[in-house]
Amino acid sequence: NAGVMQNPRHLVRRRGQEARLRCSPMKGHSHVYWYRQLPEEGLKFMVYLQKENIIDESGMPKERFSAEFPKEGPSILRIQQVVRGDSAAYFCASSPSWDASGANVLTFGAGSRLTVL
Amino acid sequence: QQQVKQSPQSLIVQKGGISIINCAYENTAFDYFPWYQQFPGKGPALLIAIRPDVSEKKEGRFTISFNKSAKQFSLHIMDSQPGDSATYFCAAITDYKLSFGAGTTVTVRA
Repeated sequence: NAGVMQNPRHLVRRRGQEARLRCSPMKGHSHVYWYRQLPEEGLKFMVYLQKENIIDESGMPKERFSAEFPKEGPSILRIQQVVRGDSAAYFCASSPSWDASGANVLTFGAGSRLTVL
Repeated sequence: QQQVKQSPQSLIVQKGGISIINCAYENTAFDYFPWYQQFPGKGPALLIAIRPDVSEKKEGRFTISFNKSAKQFSLHIMDSQPGDSATYFCAAITDYKLSFGAGTTVTVRA
């Protein structure tokens, strides 16, 4: 029973290049969340997606960042024209549904660590 | 701005000792308070969680204390073991969004 799978685990890009991070949720999970972790900081919410729908992207920078969760395949977080400030660990999490009781248990992947040179 | 404030940033405890991590929040819309444990190179893993209508929850050596009127909650790790050395994050949930504290790195010395 594989958990949340993220790849690549490590990615190095030069300024101006594109970064694509992939996330396969746990089996049976249809909700995906992306979080960013900067050094010495907690995780910050970026975006919440369901299959083929972006539910909430309020935490995502307006420029250069986009996310998708297609009907088939993994969720993709795409960062265009990367800058040094994009260097961070990007974590994907999944859940089976949104629990209205508030007890949303998110299962996190191991993260993708982006380094921008 | 940090919606959940966590302290201390780091702590060192002897094996068998008690580790205490404190968190405070302002948003009264938060309705669930989980704690996550993260080892280097890994993603955060849910450790224990509490609802605001409960003042204390214990699971094994881990206890959450919750003070709704003060908007504070804390994690106690009893009989700390070297394997507990990790970074601990408190968090608060409203709807589907987790707001994380900045984390506490706990080092347990044998």
